[in-house]
Amino acid sequence: GAVVSQHPSWVICKSGTSVKIECRSLDFQATTMFWYRQFPKQSLMLMATSNEGSKATYEQGVEKDKFLINHASLTLSTLTVTSAHPEDSSFYICSATLTVNQPQHFGDGTRLSIL
Amino acid sequence: GDSVTQMEGPVTLSEEAFLTINCTYTATGYPSLFWYVQYPGEGLQLLLKATKADDKGSNKGFEATYRKETTSFHLEKGSVQVSDSAVYFCALHTGNQFYFGTGTSLTVIP
Repeated sequence: GAVVSQHPSWVICKSGTSVKIECRSLDFQATTMFWYRQFPKQSLMLMATSNEGSKATYEQGVEKDKFLINHASLTLSTLTVTSAHPEDSSFYICSATLTVNQPQHFGDGTRLSIL
Repeated sequence: GDSVTQMEGPVTLSEEAFLTINCTYTATGYPSLFWYVQYPGEGLQLLLKATKADDKGSNKGFEATYRKETTSFHLEKGSVQVSDSAVYFCALHTGNQFYFGTGTSLTVIP
């Protein structure tokens, strides 16, 4: 079946640094990737939809300059949390789909902890 | 390890039919259980959730009961509509991890 690899799985860094999270579709070409965030004890929240070769579409309330998304190829999308602060600590998960009408395949998620 | 097993689709129903999508889970702890829905062209949306045994989550006419004795969280709706056509994902959350089912595609025909 389709496999999505997300890296890193866990990252701890100092406040003010930028952190890049990668989401790769290993055995299929993902024209669309989704980025989600999970706050403690809450469900996933969609942050943005990323289409290969175009700018990401951000959900209301998500700062596009804070959470930079790049989907430069059909197998890779990256989320960069710029100048991260403790309130950005969260669980981030990506998913990828061949086309918007096809099933989503999820990465394993990234636990981000900002000190 | 922890996991979610979801009924395979696709499922095709006539409008006003009864819907059941089965979901069972394996978990070592006390997970929270979720149903997410993905409408065509959109990302996941939370449909309902239950955080402990015997809880019933409900939303938009959908219901699911957290059954610890059968480790199940089946999604039901008494009368589906065309607008319910979507992909439904069962998910488990425990500790730092989410585990998703493979998704069940539902098509409701008029």
